[in-house]
Amino acid sequence: KQEVTQIPAALSVPEGENLVLNCSFTDSAIYNLQWFRQDPGKGLTSLLLIQSSQREQTSGRLNASLDKSSGRSTLYIAASQPGDSATYLCAVPPFNDYKLSFGAGTTVTVRA
Amino acid sequence: SAVISQKPSRDICQRGTSLTIQCQVDSQVTMMFWYRQQPGQSLTLIATANQGSEATYESGFVIDKFPISRPNLTFSTLTVSNMSPEDSSIYLCSVGGAANAGELFFGEGSRLTVL
Repeated sequence: KQEVTQIPAALSVPEGENLVLNCSFTDSAIYNLQWFRQDPGKGLTSLLLIQSSQREQTSGRLNASLDKSSGRSTLYIAASQPGDSATYLCAVPPFNDYKLSFGAGTTVTVRA
Repeated sequence: SAVISQKPSRDICQRGTSLTIQCQVDSQVTMMFWYRQQPGQSLTLIATANQGSEATYESGFVIDKFPISRPNLTFSTLTVSNMSPEDSSIYLCSVGGAANAGELFFGEGSRLTVL
């Protein structure tokens, strides 16, 4: 059974600082890895999708890396802003399936 | 990306009653899933909604408690039956599949409080 762990559970930084969020998974036979953002009481917004054959993916200030062999992914958010305050979740489906196993998330607070 | 609408967005229900949550997608999708997020927890998959056939439930979830319908490729419902306070959660509909390179998209969720 896939186990997904996110460290740290919470993070508070001053505005402008770079954020580093970590995700690890126990079974490397994954189809892809997806990072989501969730605002309190809301649904999930897809941020980045990394296919299992890729090493990284970038979108604006966001960059996500994937090391499948070691079971790790890192989400970098450059020059953080108060609007980046949210919970960030990583999720992986097994190979040839779409059922996601989620980490518990990292709750980020960016102080103005 | 798909646009997913869920109704209701939130509701407060009495113990022992049932509530049906609707999920409407703006395009035909192959895969549709229902997730639950209990307070302070991450997401757990309830079931895969299969078009024209019975849903496939994950371990710990049963059809009698969470009946699901999927009459076509753009719509599904999840019913939470005989509710108890432990059913208080956010219920989320998710869609995606091969056409999206495996990317999944989520609705805004339905926040359910059972008194």
